[in-house]
Amino acid sequence: AQKVTQAQTEISVVEKEDVTLDCVYETRDTTYYLFWYKQPPSGELVFLIRRNSFDEQNEISGRYSWNFQKSTSSFNFTITASQVVDSAVYFCALSENPGTASKLTFGTGTRLQVTL
Amino acid sequence: DAGVIQSPRHEVTEMGQEVTLRCKPISGHNSLFWYRQTMMRGLELLIYFNNNVPIDDSGMPEDRFSAKMPNASFSTLKIQPSEPRDSAVYFCASSPRRTGHSMNTEAFFGQGTRLTVV
Repeated sequence: AQKVTQAQTEISVVEKEDVTLDCVYETRDTTYYLFWYKQPPSGELVFLIRRNSFDEQNEISGRYSWNFQKSTSSFNFTITASQVVDSAVYFCALSENPGTASKLTFGTGTRLQVTL
Repeated sequence: DAGVIQSPRHEVTEMGQEVTLRCKPISGHNSLFWYRQTMMRGLELLIYFNNNVPIDDSGMPEDRFSAKMPNASFSTLKIQPSEPRDSAVYFCASSPRRTGHSMNTEAFFGQGTRLTVV
């Protein structure tokens, strides 16, 4: 069975600090997809990134970067120079069965609080 | 382009009443998902449809829950009778048809329906 673990329940940082959100996953499949979603206080779920299991290249998008390491089954998310607007709950998710739809297994989320 | 549209945004109902949640997926998307979010269980998949056909309903908690997708642009999640433990935020999501070598795509979520059963 697939599983996603986000061990950090809550993180508080001061604005401009860098912060890394950890994600560890378990799956028996060799082909799978990993995702990060953001849930701001308004409640909606916002897609951030998708990464397939064959692509271990790290990705950077502005202040966001992702480090995918199959050897440790981790897909960590770093926010550089955090801002108050980054305050949200962040979810890591896993999808197997690439031949079907994007059925997601979510982690329990990490609540990030960025203060001035 | 409009995103996934859910209605109502908030619903408060009395125990025992029937509740119907509605979802309009993004036009052209062929997969639709219903998720539930609670403090205790986090985000969990209830059911998903592919081309309007239910594929996996193993996450549906009880027979009191039912979901339908009569056409590509509309789905409902019904709870009858509702109970206080059904109180949660219910999300609908859709994802597009896979193309080429893209075997899987991200799901786009609606804003959710916050259900409170008293």
